[in-house]
Amino acid sequence: AQKVTQAQTEISVVEKEDVTLDCVYETRDTTYYLFWYKQPPSGELVFLIRRNSFDEQNEISGRYSWNFQKSTSSFNFTITASQVVDSAVYFCALSERNYGGATNKLIFGTGTLLAVQP
Amino acid sequence: DTGVSQNPRHKITKRGQNVTFRCDPISEHNRLYWYRQTLGQGPEFLTYFQNEAQLEKSRLLSDRFSAERPKGSFSTLEIQRTEQGDSAMYLCASSLAGTVGDTEAFFGQGTRLTVV
Repeated sequence: AQKVTQAQTEISVVEKEDVTLDCVYETRDTTYYLFWYKQPPSGELVFLIRRNSFDEQNEISGRYSWNFQKSTSSFNFTITASQVVDSAVYFCALSERNYGGATNKLIFGTGTLLAVQP
Repeated sequence: DTGVSQNPRHKITKRGQNVTFRCDPISEHNRLYWYRQTLGQGPEFLTYFQNEAQLEKSRLLSDRFSAERPKGSFSTLEIQRTEQGDSAMYLCASSLAGTVGDTEAFFGQGTRLTVV
């Protein structure tokens, strides 16, 4: 069965602190995709990253970085020098490859609410 | 293009009534997805279309739910005989599928349904 677990329900940090959001996934497929989305209070999900299961290289984009480790089935997300605007719910998600390639039929975790205090 | 648009943003209905939501995807996107999100949970996949064809439906999509995308552009999601358990945020997303699969999905702001 496919499953995404985000064990941290809520995290509160003070501005400029670094914070890591954990994501653990389960899948029996060898080809799959992992995602992170941000959901601000306005409600829309904002795409942050998609990672193919064959690409274990870590990625950095500005203050954001992602650590993908197949050995532990984890795809963790770190925000460096957090800002108040980072306050949102963050979702990790998984999709499997079907006959047509990648899809956006996503299995989401329950999300982590990040509150960044000024 | 301003992104994925969903209407209405909020809907309050009495139990037993029918409701219909609309989603306008990004114009060049050929795939359209519907998700449902309840409070404190992640979104759950309901169904998706490629152009006008409905390619997959979740078991969550009971026979009271029907989705259409008649001309491969906008989509509607109808819930018949609403129940209190249908109260949720309904999210629509669109993406562009090519020979190697989907690009990332862009989500709308959702329609929040409250059944009283």
